[in-house]
Amino acid sequence: GENVEQHPSTLSVQEGDSAVIKCTYSDSASNYFPWYKQELGKRPQLIIDIRSNVGEKKDQRIAVTLNKTAKHFSLHITETQPEDSAVYFCAAKQGNTPLVFGKGTRLSVIA
Amino acid sequence: SAVISQKPSRDICQRGTSLTIQCQVDSQVTMMFWYRQQPGQSLTLIATANQGSEATYESGFVIDKFPISRPNLTFSTLTVSNMSPEDSSIYLCSVDGGQLANYGYTFGSGTRLTVV
Repeated sequence: GENVEQHPSTLSVQEGDSAVIKCTYSDSASNYFPWYKQELGKRPQLIIDIRSNVGEKKDQRIAVTLNKTAKHFSLHITETQPEDSAVYFCAAKQGNTPLVFGKGTRLSVIA
Repeated sequence: SAVISQKPSRDICQRGTSLTIQCQVDSQVTMMFWYRQQPGQSLTLIATANQGSEATYESGFVIDKFPISRPNLTFSTLTVSNMSPEDSSIYLCSVDGGQLANYGYTFGSGTRLTVV
């Protein structure tokens, strides 16, 4: 089955700097890669996703890149703000199989 | 995206008892999933709730401990049976976000279970 590795487990950045979170996956058949943000005590919220026919996707300050050959994908957050502080999860799946999540990255943005 | 109502939001239960968690979706969805999130941890899939057939359980989870019902395309329940303190966790239901397979999941608000 699919296995998703996520790094780093914790990340601290100064407000205004960029943050990068990286994930690798094991199943070359996986073709859908979402990212979730979970604030303390709240449910995970989808923030951006990418499908395997696309190499990069951007939404305002958030971007995701995908390298199918290397089987890794990354989340990039630019101009970080204190409200970006949360736990971020990457995930992967293919077709109707369930999402498999990485272990999460706790991002702290220091004002 | 679908809107999910999950209840209860939290409960404190005695060991040896059972708790049933309900999820109601505002639209018909093909696939519903139940996840467990232990404190400070990631989301671990318990099972896929299938309408009209038995749930599909992941390794390490069994039907006797986590029976699931899926009577229609908008509703599912997860029961945590014969609870022990190790079952203390957050339980989340989720649904596939669209008619096509590759859409992001929407999550219920979660049930925070404490077993004493």
